[in-house]
This record gives sequence, structure tokens and C-alpha cells, in this order.
Amino acid sequence: SAVISQKPSRDICQRGTSLTIQCQVDSQVTMMFWYRQQPGQSLTLIATANQGSEATYESGFVIDKFPISRPNLTFSTLTVSNMSPEDSSIYLCSVVPGRNTEAFFGQGTRLTVV
Amino acid sequence: DAKTTQPPSMDCAEGRAANLPCNHSTISGNEYVYWYRQIHSQGPQYIIHGLKNNETNEMASLIITEDRKSSTLILPHATLRDTAVYYCIVRVGPGSARQLTFGSGTQLTVLP
Repeated sequence: SAVISQKPSRDICQRGTSLTIQCQVDSQVTMMFWYRQQPGQSLTLIATANQGSEATYESGFVIDKFPISRPNLTFSTLTVSNMSPEDSSIYLCSVVPGRNTEAFFGQGTRLTVV
Repeated sequence: DAKTTQPPSMDCAEGRAANLPCNHSTISGNEYVYWYRQIHSQGPQYIIHGLKNNETNEMASLIITEDRKSSTLILPHATLRDTAVYYCIVRVGPGSARQLTFGSGTQLTVLP
């Protein structure tokens, strides 16, 4: 199993500013995944973050808007840059800690941009 | 990953079995059926997965049809705390660290 600590749990931000979300895992994992869940919608993958390499972004998401860091095997950050109200969502990190295991999710960061 | 189809919402009386269906008619031979649920304002939680045999754990049972084109998640004695959105996901694995592709899921409401 894996325990994921995600910070902050929620924030209200002004448009045009940036917010960095942290994801800390209690074990070493190769891949970490960042998802976005817009209000009333399902989860959409933003990017996959591997330690030691650049993140791989899904269609519709770009590094300039959502820069990701992965400095070691237990930690990652996602920054939401130059925010607009359309960025108001829940952002979640997820890991698959090993072979033959399921995915674990953090509790999410509820972001409101005003 | 194969696409899944789920009813948007279902109700279930507390204490009764909740049967949540999922269609995955394009599933490939090496793809598993996974179920996750998301209780309001929380991260998704793994429930169960299977390849072709029926599976049971402490949370639920998973019934997969012989042709593997559909499955049913069974919560044998639903409680109010089981109210959540339930996602049926088909993917390669386990052993694959690939990401999950979420559909729209089924909102299960357990009624007192």
C-alpha cells in the first residue's frame, strides 16, 4: 500500500497567480500521476511524472501551464500557473507503488480561482 | 484501454445488495476490469479487480460474464457510507504502472 500526503488540501487564489501543489508518498515509487477533476466531472490525467526525467503530458495540457517537478522517488509537485477561474478544480496525485498493486490517490487539492 | 459504459446513477436501500453494472464490449484478452469509488471530496479508492474469474474481497464481489464483455460489482450489504461515484475501468495490468482512464462512473446513493 501507499500513503499519500497532498498539500494544500484547498486554496482560494487570485487570477493570474500560481499555486504549487505538493505530493509526498511514504514509499519510493517510479511513476506518479497528476489528475484534474473539474466540478461535476470525472478525473482527467494531466501528466505522468518519472523521477529523473521530464514529465509526460496528455493532450490538452502543457508544461508552461502545469510545470511538474519530481526531485526524488517519494515527492512531486504540480504548479498551476497564471491561473484563471477555469482552473478551479480538484487536483489529485496518484501512485502505483509496485507490480501487481493497485493505484493509490491523495485526498486532492480543491482549488478555487477568483 | 477499452471503453466502459455505466449507468449514470442508481439508488439502493440500506442493507440491501447494490449491483452496479458495467459494459466493456471491446475489452482485450490482456485487459483487467478494475473498480474504484470516489466518496464525495475524497480521492478515488480501489475496490477490486479481475481478469475473467469472479473475485471477492472484504469490500465487494466482482462478477465477470463468460465473454468478458460486461461485469457487475456487488456490494452485498450497502450502507450509507457506500454512497459514492463508482468507476469501472478496463486496463492492462496488474504489473503495469500505467495511468487510469476514468469514465463518468455511476453515482450510487444508498437510501436509509
